[in-house]
Amino acid sequence: DQQVKQNSPSLSVQEGRISILNCDYTNSMFDYFLWYKKYPAEGPTFLISISSIKDKNEDGRFTVFLNKSAKHLSLHIVPSQPGDSAVYFCAASALWTDGGQNFVFGPGTRLSVLP
Amino acid sequence: ETGVTQTPRHLVMGMTNKKSLKCEQHLGHNAMYWYKQSAKKPLELMFVYNFKEQTENNSVPSRFSPECPNSSHLFLHLHTLQPEDSALYLCASSQARGTEAFFGQGTRLTVV
Repeated sequence: DQQVKQNSPSLSVQEGRISILNCDYTNSMFDYFLWYKKYPAEGPTFLISISSIKDKNEDGRFTVFLNKSAKHLSLHIVPSQPGDSAVYFCAASALWTDGGQNFVFGPGTRLSVLP
Repeated sequence: ETGVTQTPRHLVMGMTNKKSLKCEQHLGHNAMYWYKQSAKKPLELMFVYNFKEQTENNSVPSRFSPECPNSSHLFLHLHTLQPEDSALYLCASSQARGTEAFFGQGTRLTVV
């Protein structure tokens, strides 16, 4: 049973346009959400995050939106560049009572930005 | 340079071998994680260490044995693995009650 879902395995976007990657989660205990970017044969690289007390966080070309009632978040990349082509993972975190935390990842969406 | 270093980057081992994966973080974090990424599968959490104490074992077979001697180092000891254990093994670290996790480059393991 996947707690974090990314229903689009792949997405193709023209260079300069907006890329929108979507993510849904089922566990209402998650209170921190992250997006990672991954190139082949490398570890995931942190992109941007958002706390459950916010509904939007922006960092340069990247904006993450959170809709808690719908248990949905999205990553917007504007403008998209060919170097953005990679697999994007959505992740969710819940803090444990002992002070630790866990990160649960979605299956990823492969973004291709076409020149 | 991510601050999380994994060695070796590639490993080929037979089913009767014993090997170890090493992870080292220079970020002052106090939580460390092992994840497994198999082909066409999501990242799967294997183990979590919080202040050197194991706080999560995600139903991992005993042929995988983690060790965390201090908050900067994490090992994954491997023995009598199966070909289906071939995968990318990723180490990550974070603050125990912090924000994002930082990942190493991973070890590409092939079991023959």
